[in-house]
Amino acid sequence: DARVTQTPRHKVTEMGQEVTMRCQPILGHNTVFWYRQTMMQGLELLAYFRNRAPLDDSGMPKDRFSAEMPDATLATLKIQPSEPRDSAVYFCASGLPRGQAPGKEKLFFGSGTQLSVL
Amino acid sequence: DQQVKQNSPSLSVQEGRISILNCDYTNSMFDYFLWYKKYPAEGPTFLISISSIKDKNEDGRFTVFLNKSAKHLSLHIVPSQPGDSAVYFCAASTKYGNKLVFGAGTILRVKS
Repeated sequence: DARVTQTPRHKVTEMGQEVTMRCQPILGHNTVFWYRQTMMQGLELLAYFRNRAPLDDSGMPKDRFSAEMPDATLATLKIQPSEPRDSAVYFCASGLPRGQAPGKEKLFFGSGTQLSVL
Repeated sequence: DQQVKQNSPSLSVQEGRISILNCDYTNSMFDYFLWYKKYPAEGPTFLISISSIKDKNEDGRFTVFLNKSAKHLSLHIVPSQPGDSAVYFCAASTKYGNKLVFGAGTILRVKS
């Protein structure tokens, strides 16, 4: 089964440390999304890419978060420096653009990275 | 500003009865709506979707209803089963991109 792979599954770190989360999208999917799950906001969109180019990162705190796609098989989300309020589950998702896959607009999610910043 | 709202944080239903989960949206540009289900320690998985040209879509025990004039959609699960216990997220997108905007989720508990 094709799936989105995220690493690490769990990360515990201390405030001020750098955190890097990785995502391998499903082969052939050219849109990649980073979401963060919080109790109050549900699933918040942080950033998304199409064909490796960033299209929208307005949901990301720019001073400490950065997202990149070094190649089509790897997306990264980096937090530097991390803060306790960043503690959450971070999900990566991949899919195909709407025009490319009519009726198949759904996204496929990875299992997430549970981040705890102490 | 939450464009997709799920106002019920949780719902408890008896096995065999109907579960109705509700979702409201504010952006009239949304034209495609989806429901995702999420179990603990897993990512959300796609459940069912509906285009704005329809008012109902059915898939087995799951039916989604869309009321465009009220900007409201609902997910009906009949009959509910204990395995349906999960968090259900409503999501929406516009035709200008497949960025999904999610609601806060509703925790469904189906009691046996």
